[in-house]
Amino acid sequence: DTGVSQNPRHKITKRGQNVTFRCDPISEHNRLYWYRQTLGQGPEFLTYFQNEAQLEKSRLLSDRFSAERPKGSFSTLEIQRTEQGDSAMYLCASSLETGTSGYTFGSGTRLTVV
Amino acid sequence: KNQVEQSPQSLIILEGKNCTLQCNYTVSPFSNLRWYKQDTGRGPVSLTIMTFSENTKSNGRYTATLDADTKQSSLHITASQLSDSASYICVVSPDNYGQNFVFGPGTRLSVLP
Repeated sequence: DTGVSQNPRHKITKRGQNVTFRCDPISEHNRLYWYRQTLGQGPEFLTYFQNEAQLEKSRLLSDRFSAERPKGSFSTLEIQRTEQGDSAMYLCASSLETGTSGYTFGSGTRLTVV
Repeated sequence: KNQVEQSPQSLIILEGKNCTLQCNYTVSPFSNLRWYKQDTGRGPVSLTIMTFSENTKSNGRYTATLDADTKQSSLHITASQLSDSASYICVVSPDNYGQNFVFGPGTRLSVLP
């Protein structure tokens, strides 16, 4: 297992287009998180899954955003009708349900909306 | 309001020198404090995790300290290397659940030859 994998690494899209990102967590991790990070800031929580259930969504997750984790393994984050303000790094992280250790981030997907 | 502040915002040092980064937090209740290193264009990588009862933890040339009474933490980097150039993010959590992590804005460290 090589850690948390995110694809694509970079995405450039025109305003108004839809984009989808994928996250493959560490295989035994049942929790999966999505964050957004803008330049010079720390990550901001978007949503998380425990297995296939989406348990919490932040107010940052507008109705243009949707996330899924259909089989409790990989997850996708879709942004519809992208806006320039959506330009950011989208980070995925995974962990076991309990314990302080084992919280691992992926390398992120850098989205640029032009 | 739960907040994490970090100082300085950015720092430039010469290779081989030591430096200390600061983190102040108002998160309550407190469970643990983490320091992450984030290279440009990459995800954060964990350096240390400290719980309430721990006041120091080392990971190679990185040493983190925690004063839970004053709600301050520091990250000391010894004998800096060019590869230490990155952002260092302090994260405080009231529990072990990522949705409740409070992230600082990071300190941008540049190590020059």
